[in-house]
Amino acid sequence: EAGVAQSPRYKIIEKRQSVAFWCNPISGHATLYWYQQILGQGPKLLIQFQNNGVVDDSQLPKDRFSAERLKGVDSTLKIQPAKLEDSAVYLCASSPYTSGASYEQYFGPGTRLTVT
Amino acid sequence: AQSVTQLGSHVSVSEGALVLLRCNYSSSVPPYLFWYVQYPNQGLQLLLKYTSAATLVKGINGFEAEFKKSETSFHLTKPSAHMSDAAEYFCAVSRRITGGGNKLTFGTGTQLKVEL
Repeated sequence: EAGVAQSPRYKIIEKRQSVAFWCNPISGHATLYWYQQILGQGPKLLIQFQNNGVVDDSQLPKDRFSAERLKGVDSTLKIQPAKLEDSAVYLCASSPYTSGASYEQYFGPGTRLTVT
Repeated sequence: AQSVTQLGSHVSVSEGALVLLRCNYSSSVPPYLFWYVQYPNQGLQLLLKYTSAATLVKGINGFEAEFKKSETSFHLTKPSAHMSDAAEYFCAVSRRITGGGNKLTFGTGTQLKVEL
């Protein structure tokens, strides 16, 4: 079974530029998550999709970040314009389960973003 | 609100020695608790999880954790460290999300170093 795929793996941009990250979850997984992991911290949830609907985006900076999951499969996270503090690893995760707090999330390798 | 606190951002042990990584949780309801491991430039991988079935939980790679309600703790242990255990370890607490899926709140992580 293929894991969660993310691209690109690394990205360097200048502040005020835009950037997009792509995630393809494990086949059949209904729930998809985007996390931001700043160096020295644990991952922080940005947005969660259930199929192609958003169930939690309370910590997404909506003035500059956007995300979509068309057709309930792969997803794109965009930052426009980027700030220095957006430098982080962006992790995508997916889960096959539609409900319950005890279920595992499967993580991709992440995209390391550096904003200069 | 749920949270976890990981004591010690860096832990160093000798190869063959006991590994003990500390995690304390705060939750108003019976918690679901997870330990994830992150190797350099990789995503997070599940080590083990507590879902109230048993207080002593065994995971992959010889790791185990014991849930102690009286101490609000879920410490991770391994009897004998191996060089390959060097990585960052995250404790997380989970809660169900209305609309589907679950929300993981991570600690700040503990970097484990294994020395010869």
